[in-house]
Amino acid sequence: GAVVSQHPSWVICKSGTSVKIECRSLDFQATTMFWYRQFPKQSLMLMATSNEGSKATYEQGVEKDKFLINHASLTLSTLTVTSAHPEDSSFYICSANRDRGFSYEQYFGPGTRLTVT
Amino acid sequence: GQNIDQPTEMTATEGAIVQINCTYQTSGFNGLFWYQQHAGEAPTFLSYNVLDGLEEKGRFSSFLSRSKGYSYLLLKELQMKDSASYLCAVMDSNYQLIWGAGTKLIIKP
Repeated sequence: GAVVSQHPSWVICKSGTSVKIECRSLDFQATTMFWYRQFPKQSLMLMATSNEGSKATYEQGVEKDKFLINHASLTLSTLTVTSAHPEDSSFYICSANRDRGFSYEQYFGPGTRLTVT
Repeated sequence: GQNIDQPTEMTATEGAIVQINCTYQTSGFNGLFWYQQHAGEAPTFLSYNVLDGLEEKGRFSSFLSRSKGYSYLLLKELQMKDSASYLCAVMDSNYQLIWGAGTKLIIKP
């Protein structure tokens, strides 16, 4: 099956610093990637849709200046949490859309656990 | 508004069969997904239905009725490792996923 990787898998940073998370589709090209956030015992919440070569589309309530998304190639999207605060501590998950022509499949990365101290 | 409903929690016995239902109301429909998520891990893709009917994949099957806005995930020969949350998600007309809150499935010996 298709594989999506994320790096790092976990990160601890100090309040006020920035953290970059990478999402890569390893064996397919993804024109669209999605970034989600999941707080404990809650469902996934879509943060933004990342389209290759264009600006990301952010969900209502998500600060675009705080969560910078870059989709530089068909296999890589990055999420940068700028000036992180403890309330940004969460599980960040990316997914990549694989267009099979007759169907869509979404494959998730393993997630990145961010802890801001 | 857009809405996905699925039971919060279900309990079943090892070796048995369980059906997890999902009903949806969305703006447009481009397919319905089922995912399995173990605690602390990212969801894993299980199935995708875009046409009415039953799709079978080993012990797991997924059914869709677009006219009723209804799907179910059927798990047979339950194993302890099937204890997880099962997420139903619908791809809307903008090709974005609308997520249900997930069904926590507890398997007892």
